[in-house]
Amino acid sequence: GNSVTQMEGPVTLSEEAFLTINCTYTATGYPSLFWYVQYPGEGLQLLLKATKADDKGSNKGFEATYRKETTSFHLEKGSVQVSDSAVYFCALRHPLGQGAQKLVFGQGTRLTINP
Amino acid sequence: GAVVSQHPSWVICKSGTSVKIECRSLDFQATTMFWYRQFPKQSLMLMATSNEGSKATYEQGVEKDKFLINHASLTLSTLTVTSAHPEDSSFYICSASSGRYYNEQFFGPGTRLTVL
Repeated sequence: GNSVTQMEGPVTLSEEAFLTINCTYTATGYPSLFWYVQYPGEGLQLLLKATKADDKGSNKGFEATYRKETTSFHLEKGSVQVSDSAVYFCALRHPLGQGAQKLVFGQGTRLTINP
Repeated sequence: GAVVSQHPSWVICKSGTSVKIECRSLDFQATTMFWYRQFPKQSLMLMATSNEGSKATYEQGVEKDKFLINHASLTLSTLTVTSAHPEDSSFYICSASSGRYYNEQFFGPGTRLTVL
């Protein structure tokens, strides 16, 4: 079945450091890929998405590129801030006809940025 | 726009009682709502998908008699945990989607249930 694997956390970085959170997926067909962020005490928010191979999603300085050849969607940011501290979830959405609209989440990666 | 609320944000109940959690789309009509369960430091597990006016579709392993889902209107879905037990303690999150927003899921802030 479809699945998502994220790098295990927690991840602790200093402010202005470069961030990479790895995400790989297993899916039949061509899923859409997402990164969600969950700030303390809040619900999940969509951070960025990509719907086809080689698409790059970007938002708030974060980027991720849909790599079909490596089945990956790694999250990157060039210079993190304390306010980026949160839990990050990689997810895929089933292609049409396979329980469409359902999201499959990775296990989440807790990120802490120290000043 | 696209705001989803949940009520209550937290609840503590005694074992054997039932608890109802509400999920509302505040500024859009949600054709589909989803209920997730999140264990501490773990991912979200989809419990069920509900469409307005029809029965919910439960994921494998989720007891439909235990977790009753009602999606009576395009802005409200409820999850009732019946005869709750301590193992039902968890963080329950709903999301709502609409064709208006290309079926993107918008998430509520979650409800923490503690069963004593």
